[in-house]
Amino acid sequence: DVKVTQSSRYLVKRTGEKVFLECVQDMDHENMFWYRQDPGLGLRLIYFSYDVKMKEKGDIPEGYSVSREKKERFSLILESASTNQTSMYLCASRPGRGQPQHFGDGTRLSIL
Amino acid sequence: AQSVTQLDSQVPVFEEAPVELRCNYSSSVSVYLFWYVQYPNQGLQLLLKYLSGSTLVKGINGFEAEFNKSQTSFHLRKPSVHISDTAEYFCAVSEADAGNMLTFGGGTRLMVKP
Repeated sequence: DVKVTQSSRYLVKRTGEKVFLECVQDMDHENMFWYRQDPGLGLRLIYFSYDVKMKEKGDIPEGYSVSREKKERFSLILESASTNQTSMYLCASRPGRGQPQHFGDGTRLSIL
Repeated sequence: AQSVTQLDSQVPVFEEAPVELRCNYSSSVSVYLFWYVQYPNQGLQLLLKYLSGSTLVKGINGFEAEFNKSQTSFHLRKPSVHISDTAEYFCAVSEADAGNMLTFGGGTRLMVKP
């Protein structure tokens, strides 16, 4: 079974802090994704990566950046956290185009 | 651009009753279609997918969905639900030739009552 692991289930940070969310997958998948999930809005794509050191903006990249130095790890960075970034963050990976995405359990982030 | 509409934000149903969760999408090209389930405090788990072929797709836990191209729909059904089916269900679509980015619907919360 594919395992996508997010480093924290719950995280509380303060406004203005730099926040790192980590995601690791164990199936050598090419593609990785970061979403945020908000009630009634479903999942919205923040950033994705087709391969190591490659990144593409999704639908809502403002206020976020990403890093993919190794194939198995995809990090989401909140440069200067704000209260409107309080949300559930989900990481996903997939082998390639047309294949289903596999999700981690999510990180519930609160910015105070 | 593609979009996905899940018409019901909440669906209450009694145990052992049938259920249908509705999903409509808009796209001008060929699509792949997915249903995911999210149990409380967990990530999303794939229920079923339509990539090509038969329009009736069977998934895990007794769920099935039917792709209707003319109505641009991909409704999810189960003939008899259990308490354990209580969860949030997401429909998602990706265009077959555009990088396959997923667009998700807003989700439907299925509440199964005893």
